[in-house]
Amino acid sequence: DAKTTQPPSMDCAEGRAANLPCNHSTISGNEYVYWYRQIHSQGPQYIIHGLKNNETNEMASLIITEDRKSSTLILPHATLRDTAVYYCIVAGSNTGKLIFGQGTTLQVKP
Amino acid sequence: DAGVIQSPRHEVTEMGQEVTLRCKPISGHNSLFWYRQTMMRGLELLIYFNNNVPIDDSGMPEDRFSAKMPNASFSTLKIQPSEPRDSAVYFCASSPRTELNYGYTFGSGTRLTVV
Repeated sequence: DAKTTQPPSMDCAEGRAANLPCNHSTISGNEYVYWYRQIHSQGPQYIIHGLKNNETNEMASLIITEDRKSSTLILPHATLRDTAVYYCIVAGSNTGKLIFGQGTTLQVKP
Repeated sequence: DAGVIQSPRHEVTEMGQEVTLRCKPISGHNSLFWYRQTMMRGLELLIYFNNNVPIDDSGMPEDRFSAKMPNASFSTLKIQPSEPRDSAVYFCASSPRTELNYGYTFGSGTRLTVV
């Protein structure tokens, strides 16, 4: 599976958009980008995934660059409850298993 | 839907004792995963099952660890004998199928402390 690089931490003001970057320059053609988050003391939670098109759901938007070497998870209006560790994972959909890296700790501040 | 249910939520045991962690996946989910999380190593995949059959146990740290899935609604992770370095939060997750696009649902975890 392709390796991902994420900043270890980020801050965001409450009510503003949180933009979390992820670099995956070695991604291969059949690999997807998956985002999960883990709020303190809870299990990880699925957010969104995409292959090459931008995706949006009720939680977030995922923007993937045209060359697919990087992506950005966007939380449009961050709240204090969005404070969590956000994991970007690149894998083939048939890999059968998710391997988590260190992620980005997002702190949403009032 | 009650989600993935893990028990116990907290377990404190003495070194050398046997520990059994339990997981009930979401009904209808065919894949089940056991993860371990520590500050030093982050989230590690230990083993996963598909249709109750172990598919990949390469993450199981050593022979002291064993996992079973006797039926579609129940799985156990056993540590015998336990050691202080096994202290961690153990998560169980389930998914409708093995394909990652279906998403994993995680339980709340079991915090294990071995003293």
